[in-house]
Order: sequence, then structure tokens, then C-alpha cells
Amino acid sequence: GENVEQHPSTLSVQEGDSAVIKCTYSDSASNYFPWYKQELGKRPQLIIDIRSNVGEKKDQRIAVTLNKTAKHFSLHITETQPEDSAVYFCAAPLSSGNTPLVFGKGTRLSVIA
Amino acid sequence: EPEVTQTPSHQVTQMGQEVILRCVPISNHLYFYWYRQILGQKVEFLVSFYNNEISEKSEIFDDQFSVERPDGSNFTLKIRSTKLEDSAMYFCASFRDRGVNTEAFFGQGTRLTVV
Repeated sequence: GENVEQHPSTLSVQEGDSAVIKCTYSDSASNYFPWYKQELGKRPQLIIDIRSNVGEKKDQRIAVTLNKTAKHFSLHITETQPEDSAVYFCAAPLSSGNTPLVFGKGTRLSVIA
Repeated sequence: EPEVTQTPSHQVTQMGQEVILRCVPISNHLYFYWYRQILGQKVEFLVSFYNNEISEKSEIFDDQFSVERPDGSNFTLKIRSTKLEDSAMYFCASFRDRGVNTEAFFGQGTRLTVV
């Protein structure tokens, strides 16, 4: 089955700086890698995902990069804002196919104004 | 926008009691999941359900747990004899399919407190 490692566990950045969160996965057959944002007391929500046929995907200030050879993928947030403060989880499929998802341990991002 | 709804939002129960957590998935979704999140920790997979049967389950999902879709809309998680360590937020999630575009839609969660 899939094992997802995520780091750092906590990250503090100044407003306007960039934040990078990294995840590694174990199953080379995995082909779908989403990132979820969880604000305090709320449900996880998908913010961006990437599939194994591309190396990078960008959506405004958020981007995800994938290195299939090294089996790692990263979330990049540029020009961080206080509302980016949350816990971010990476995920990968438990087995071949896209579901169910196994989540990393999460990164608590704090953006300091 | 359609969403997954869960009830109750908060459940307090005594150790050893049975609890049933309820979820109404998005209507055209086919795959349903329960996840658990102990306070401050990661989201952990419990069980997946498709075509009225369990398709996968984790080590956490032992004989104390069961799932059911009794009426074609509700999807329930039952814990037969709760333990203190069952205290957590339980999220239901639904997926449209197992294909490439499979975003997990989470409910708002049920906070279970076992005392």
C-alpha cells in the first residue's frame, strides 16, 4: 500500500514570501496527487491536484510540481497572505487507481502579517 | 453547489456505548468513504464503500466498526462499543468515480467525544 511522508510539519513565513511543502510517496504506480487545505475546525478542501502525465500545474498563486522518478511532489504558494494560514495535506492513492486517498501528516502553515 | 452533509455535528457518548454517524453523499456519486482525524493529527482512511459493499478498509477499521447504506441515500458508520481513543473528528467523503478526475468531497465532519 501507499506510504506518504510530508514535511515540514510546521512552517512560518512572512506575508508576501513563498512557502514550499514537500511530500514523498512509495508506490510508483500512483498517478494522482492532490493537495487539501484544512482551516481550523473545517473540512479538508481540494486546492490543487496533479496527475502523473504532467510535471507542473499552476493555479494563480498555487503550483504543484511532480517528480515521478524521485517519487515526490511539492506545493508552492507564492505571495502568501494571512488567509493562507491553515493545515495543508498532500495525498496519494492507496493502491493503483485514484481512490481511496492516503494523506500525509499535514503541514501547519502560519503566515505572519 | 452540491455537498456532503453529516449529522450530528457533535456527539458525546459514554465509553462502551454504540454510536451511529450519518452522512448523505452527493447524489450522483458512487464511492463513499469514512476518514478519521484525531485532534491535531492527520486524516486517516477507515473504509471505502461501493455498490453496497466494503471495497477497502484500513487496520483501524476493526470489528467494532461497520458501515451501511440502508436506504440508498444515507451512509452510516457505526461504532459498537466506543473507547476513549475513538474520540476524533469523523469525515465522510464521496467520489464520483474511480477515474482520473476524482476529487474527494468531504462533509463538515462529526466530532465524536467519548467520555
